[in-house]
Amino acid sequence: GAVVSQHPSWVICKSGTSVKIECRSLDFQATTMFWYRQFPKQSLMLMATSNEGSKATYEQGVEKDKFLINHASLTLSTLTVTSAHPEDSSFYICSARAGGGQPQHFGDGTRLSIL
Amino acid sequence: AQKITQTQPGMFVQEKEAVTLDCTYDTSDPSYGLFWYKQPSSGEMIFLIYQGSYDQQNATEGRYSLNFQKARKSANLVISASQLGDSAMYFCAMREAQGAQKLVFGQGTRLTINP
Repeated sequence: GAVVSQHPSWVICKSGTSVKIECRSLDFQATTMFWYRQFPKQSLMLMATSNEGSKATYEQGVEKDKFLINHASLTLSTLTVTSAHPEDSSFYICSARAGGGQPQHFGDGTRLSIL
Repeated sequence: AQKITQTQPGMFVQEKEAVTLDCTYDTSDPSYGLFWYKQPSSGEMIFLIYQGSYDQQNATEGRYSLNFQKARKSANLVISASQLGDSAMYFCAMREAQGAQKLVFGQGTRLTINP
């Protein structure tokens, strides 16, 4: 089956640093990747949709300059949390899709803790 | 805009009993897909079952079945013969065929199976 790898699984860093999370489709080409954020005991909230080679489309209320998304190839998308602060601590999870109408495959998520 | 509602924050069921998790949705798109995911405490999203809006029969996958009532806009998940390993968060999600085809999640239901 289709595999999406997300790295790192856990990250703890100091306030003010930037953190990069990678999302890779291992055995298929992902034309579209999605980034979600999940606070404890809450649902997944879509942050942005990224298509390979074009700018990401952010959901309302998501700061573009805070959460930088790059989808430079058909197998890799990155989410960079810039100048992270404790309120950015959350579970971030990506998903990838080969094309329109195709199923979305999820990574295992990244737990981000900002001290 | 698409909307997914899960009204049961938590469910407690005895092992080996069947359980129904409720999900209602709203959309103006005549073509859409409905999904159920399981999220254990480790965080990964496990795909369980899919129902297309034009599918004539209810979807089934092993112990999982989807009770699709299109007129009522409901897509309840039925788990037969529940097991201790079924304890997890369960999310209903919908994807419209038009536009960006984003997967939007409900609030989730925490299912606990008691021995």
